[in-house]
Amino acid sequence: GQNIDQPTEMTATEGAIVQINCTYQTSGFNGLFWYQQHAGEAPTFLSYNVLDGLEEKGRFSSFLSRSKGYSYLLLKELQMKDSASYLCAFTGGGNKLTFGTGTQLKVEL
Amino acid sequence: DAGITQSPRHKVTETGTPVTLRCHQTENHRYMYWYRQDPGHGLRLIHYSYGVKDTDKGEVSDGYSVSRSKTEDFLLTLESATSSQTSVYFCAISVAASGGTDTQYFGPGTRLTVL
Repeated sequence: GQNIDQPTEMTATEGAIVQINCTYQTSGFNGLFWYQQHAGEAPTFLSYNVLDGLEEKGRFSSFLSRSKGYSYLLLKELQMKDSASYLCAFTGGGNKLTFGTGTQLKVEL
Repeated sequence: DAGITQSPRHKVTETGTPVTLRCHQTENHRYMYWYRQDPGHGLRLIHYSYGVKDTDKGEVSDGYSVSRSKTEDFLLTLESATSSQTSVYFCAISVAASGGTDTQYFGPGTRLTVL
């Protein structure tokens, strides 16, 4: 079957680096997505990985290991505005996404 | 901005009444989706469409129906609303990426409360 798992909550300090992990199980895999969702708002696309390795986009980077069914989102130089829920999702084909329940990140002073 | 609007943005209704939510896109994307989001469950796919009059069920389709008579509009109907359908509903479109994986973009959401 299909399954995706990520921590429920994380807390980090402004200016620090935080890594949000995501593990998944699926028989078919086409890509791994990360979305950011602020409270009361819609999810917004951050990044996707299709191949193994690290994709960097400014302060945000995402890593994928297909053999391990593992991804992480790395946020550098944390800012208060980064406090949000981070959603991991994979696509197994057919243009459909399976989402994790999200990791609520709280950035503190 | 992926050009997606949802209406209404907020709705309160009573158990047993029919409810229709509308998703409108301006860029003629082929794929459209309806999700619901509930605490502890994340985003779950209700139904999706891959073209006019072409729709299929997602993982939580019971109690919901959809229609797509025009490329730009995807309607979600609760034939007889129940309190368990109180949720935030998001519409999404899939944008084809040249040489890459299609990416979903979300509308602003509809908060539905069934009393």
